[in-house]
Amino acid sequence: AAGVIQSPRHLIKEKRETATLKCYPIPRHDTVYWYQQGPGQDPQFLISFYEKMQSDKGSIPDRFSAQQFSDYHSELNMSSLELGDSALYFCASSPLAGGGNEDNEQFFGPGTRLTVL
Amino acid sequence: AQSVTQPDIHITVSEGASLELRCNYSYGATPYLFWYVQSPGQGLQLLLKYFSGDTLVQGIKGFEAEFKRSQSSFNLRKPSVHWSDAAEYFCAVKPGGYQKVTFGTGTKLQVIP
Repeated sequence: AAGVIQSPRHLIKEKRETATLKCYPIPRHDTVYWYQQGPGQDPQFLISFYEKMQSDKGSIPDRFSAQQFSDYHSELNMSSLELGDSALYFCASSPLAGGGNEDNEQFFGPGTRLTVL
Repeated sequence: AQSVTQPDIHITVSEGASLELRCNYSYGATPYLFWYVQSPGQGLQLLLKYFSGDTLVQGIKGFEAEFKRSQSSFNLRKPSVHWSDAAEYFCAVKPGGYQKVTFGTGTKLQVIP
């Protein structure tokens, strides 16, 4: 079965640079979520999109922005990178609303490991 | 807002011994509950989930969890631990609909021979 795809899997950047992380949800999933997991931490919710509109926002820095495109893939743009941005970034997707319990499950991608030097 | 508490940061068990990882949640209604496992540097793998119905749910790798509404708990169990189970385990909660998942702080499991 198709899974959530994230690219790149690993990314190394210098301080003050920018980074773009991409997420390709499972086909027919219309909702995308981004999470950040710092070293030794639990994943923290950043932002989500439903049908290309921002649906919820968590502890996302102003230096970060994200969007969902017409093909439902999403990109997380990170500017003025700081050492503290080094983390594992997960994307998750949910299927189309249609009743039943399955639309409550988020399917997680493998993550993008960002290292800021 | 929902929250999850995993009171045990580290647990060490002997291979072959039984395991129980504790999870308590706080939410106004019955949430959707999940257990994930994460090996170092790896992604999140879903072990099992509870949405409704039978309060004892079976998952992959021989894991099971029991939802107890009266205790707001969703503890994870395995009757016999294998060395390959050494990892970090996250309990997570989510309201219905397109809501975020809230994770507990995780429990690191060490398995000794």
